[in-house]
Amino acid sequence: DGGITQSPKYLFRKEGQNVTLSCEQNLNHDAMYWYRQDPGQGLRLIYYSQIVNDFQKGDIAEGYSVSREKKESFPLTVTSAQKNPTAFYLCASSLAGGFNNEQFFGPGTRLTVL
Amino acid sequence: GQQVMQIPQYQHVQEGEDFTTYCNSSTTLSNIQWYKQRPGGHPVFLIQLVKSGEVKKQKRLTFQFGEAKKNSSLHITATQTTDVGTYFCAAMDSNYQLIWGAGTKLIIKP
Repeated sequence: DGGITQSPKYLFRKEGQNVTLSCEQNLNHDAMYWYRQDPGQGLRLIYYSQIVNDFQKGDIAEGYSVSREKKESFPLTVTSAQKNPTAFYLCASSLAGGFNNEQFFGPGTRLTVL
Repeated sequence: GQQVMQIPQYQHVQEGEDFTTYCNSSTTLSNIQWYKQRPGGHPVFLIQLVKSGEVKKQKRLTFQFGEAKKNSSLHITATQTTDVGTYFCAAMDSNYQLIWGAGTKLIIKP
């Protein structure tokens, strides 16, 4: 089956710890994205990548980092510099051409900082 | 920065009643996409509108893009329990990024 996988589904971390969220896709999509969703709100873009080895900051990149070493993988690290990291994190991918195309989302990771 | 305003935030309907959500922008939009997110789930693409005045239908769902390409609507006729969820619009801004509306939550009254 083609799709996007994110792991883990639920993640708990202590304040001051970095944590990495996994995102893998086998859709052969060039573009990948990370969003943050807070309760009752829309999606806010953290980072996106249009091609391997290249990525750009979105609206709320502070306290986050990404890498795009492989086409199918786009991991997100939530660093201790992120002041309020508890949220629902969604990874998405699309065909080349980025935001002009339908985005396919993974099931998400719910991060809770204790 | 550019914003897309989506209203209402919530809509409570009896099963069988209609539902409508609206997205508005102060600037002209290149295109607009609509997504549905079921409770506890992830957004799923419904449709993309590109042309001025465009109207598209998917069974009981009707999507419209305004003549000035500054607003859009999603109308559901005769809601069913399977329609429950949050409906988001997302529009491409001048920087070629998607700007998401805050969503409208469709709630079916028991």
